[in-house]
Amino acid sequence: DIVMTQSPDSLAVSLGERATIDCKSSQSVLYTSNNKTYLAWFQQKSGQPPRLLVYWASTRESGVPDRFSGSGSGTDFTLTISSLQAEDVAVYYCQQYYSIPYTFGQGTKLEIK
Amino acid sequence: QVQLQQSGPGLVRPSQTLSLTCAISGDSVSSNSAAWNWVRQSPSRGLEWLGRTYYRSKWYNDYAVSVKSRIIINPDTSKNQFSLQLNSVTPEDTAVYYCARRLSTARAYYAMDVWGQGTTVTVSS
Repeated sequence: DIVMTQSPDSLAVSLGERATIDCKSSQSVLYTSNNKTYLAWFQQKSGQPPRLLVYWASTRESGVPDRFSGSGSGTDFTLTISSLQAEDVAVYYCQQYYSIPYTFGQGTKLEIK
Repeated sequence: QVQLQQSGPGLVRPSQTLSLTCAISGDSVSSNSAAWNWVRQSPSRGLEWLGRTYYRSKWYNDYAVSVKSRIIINPDTSKNQFSLQLNSVTPEDTAVYYCARRLSTARAYYAMDVWGQGTTVTVSS
């Protein structure tokens, strides 16, 4: 199984400041035949299901504010929130869907400083 | 707009069978470009993918090794839904269970973009 490891486990950022969450996969999730990276980022607020933010490592899902961006390649990935808003308080997960079993990171809890 | 509506009991006795259903609106369980997944979440195991069913000229299923001997995911084309059956449950199966859709094309896979509302299942006597 591909192991997904996020850092940090928790993060406190001031409103309007940048938040950065890292994710590392135990093996590459790049599908070379189509050059697509099968890495997604989800946001989960309390009592709600995960919400897809980013797929293919850097493609923003429809309706997701442009302050959210994904980057990275191979085995190292980053989710950046450029200017933190109060409604961004949540737990964030990375997930690989390169191979089954699909696996998730342990989550990063984002709070307001 | 695609929506997934989950139903099923919130309490299951140990050694019994957990059964949940996910009703689909706005898409088809028989779609050739979708896969229908079950994921669970618990404090001890985090988010854990359990399995999927999908149709590509015939039906396919894939299951996580951790539950492979106990799980069945079935499509129901007459009701446009799919179900999760987990046998011989223990308190370790206590979790929030989600259904989710994942799309694909001939060229690429997409991530799980539509999720059910979640069902909290407690295994207890």
